Amino acid sequence: QVQLVESGGGVVQPGRSLRLSCETSAFMFDIYVMHWVRQAPGKGLEWVAVISSDGSNKYFADSVKGRFTISRDNSKNTLYLQMDSLRPEDTAVYFCASEVSETYFFDYWGQGTLVTVSS
Amino acid sequence: QSALTQPASVSGSPGQSITISCTGTSRDVGSSNLVSWYQHHPGKAPKLIIYDVAQRPSGVSNRFSGSKSANTASLTVSGLQAEDEADYYCCSYAGGGTPNWVFGGGTTVTVL
Repeated sequence: QVQLVESGGGVVQPGRSLRLSCETSAFMFDIYVMHWVRQAPGKGLEWVAVISSDGSNKYFADSVKGRFTISRDNSKNTLYLQMDSLRPEDTAVYFCASEVSETYFFDYWGQGTLVTVSS
Repeated sequence: QSALTQPASVSGSPGQSITISCTGTSRDVGSSNLVSWYQHHPGKAPKLIIYDVAQRPSGVSNRFSGSKSANTASLTVSGLQAEDEADYYCCSYAGGGTPNWVFGGGTTVTVL
């Protein structure tokens, strides 16, 4: 059974950094495109970032461009999201999600990890 | 990129059918058939229920169906069941020069 498990969330002060991880199992991780999607409290889903299966291509939502970095370690079946210069508006549950290359939808999701940016 | 527009809530009695609309623009929903729908029970992982406007993944009930006309996509849930009570999100690929996805604001379905 495919599993995606996010970790690394917590409470952090504005301007500080946090790194999220998404560990996967029962899953051919190295052929999947991977995404981060977030949900602010009481709000809808927002796409955050995507990384190609080999890690060579990365794209970001305008709201996080220049502050967030996405990466992956295919030897560890793990996806990462490095979040720098965090702002209160980055407070959200962060989900990782998978996409079979060039299908443009998310077929598997994790349960999410909560990031709270507050002083 | 603005979020797609969904009704905040929809309700129905068991056995009835409900339809959730998802309105975008010619740059996203209207530009391709790359519209998908997700069911989300809070605290759990979202679940893909429709992709490419009207395709159902293996294992998803045929009570879920999707369609699209111009800039508006729709999800219909027929034979409403208690387990269908959840939040539903539409999503459209909106990439032009740069890959980008846009979601709707979500619709809470209540089974009366």
